[in-house]
Amino acid sequence: GESVGLHLPTLSVQEGDNSIINCAYSNSASDYFIWYKQESGKGPQFIIDIRSNMDKRQGQRVTVLLNKTVKHLSLQIAATQPGDSAVYFCAEKSGNNDMRFGAGTRLTVKP
Amino acid sequence: KAGVTQTPRYLIKTRGQQVTLSCSPISGHRSVSWYQQTPGQGLQFLFEYFSETQRNKGNFPGRFSGRQFSNSRSEMNVSTLELGDSALYLCASSIGQTRGDGYTFGSGTRLTVV
Repeated sequence: GESVGLHLPTLSVQEGDNSIINCAYSNSASDYFIWYKQESGKGPQFIIDIRSNMDKRQGQRVTVLLNKTVKHLSLQIAATQPGDSAVYFCAEKSGNNDMRFGAGTRLTVKP
Repeated sequence: KAGVTQTPRYLIKTRGQQVTLSCSPISGHRSVSWYQQTPGQGLQFLFEYFSETQRNKGNFPGRFSGRQFSNSRSEMNVSTLELGDSALYLCASSIGQTRGDGYTFGSGTRLTVV
């Protein structure tokens, strides 16, 4: 069936560097995408979202890019900080259907 | 404003028992979704309730059920517990009226089946 998946299960970056977390989706009907951050012992926390009529959306230190041609989503974190260490999930939604999550990428920030 | 509240935070049950978990959404949110999170399977969708009606359902056996009350609070029940049901159960609430509504998650209930 359709699924949302991540390219890399782990990512390690140096503090201050930029991080890029990637996600592939296969449901061409998906029209809403969300990135979540999950820290140990907590529920997923909303970071940023993007609708399918957009290619790029920026937040505070984060940017989400959507490439519908290749069904690819990425999350860019600028000047990565130790507090950014967490598991990051992409999720996709189609209409009023349920929200489906990717496998997650663990980001580790080295001081 | 208060976030999504899940109770209890931790639960230990014996195989064969049943369990009920509770989720209180953000005030004004009418949609509640439930997810099971395990290291091996990640976040898997269980079901979604909107205005007391089940709107979407994932691929879980009938032992997993839920309901939503008129105040939007939701419960999920797992009967005849199996060891593999050990997981973090998360609920997420949203306004639920448009496809782009953001979902806010609770901290989850950690269920351990022994």
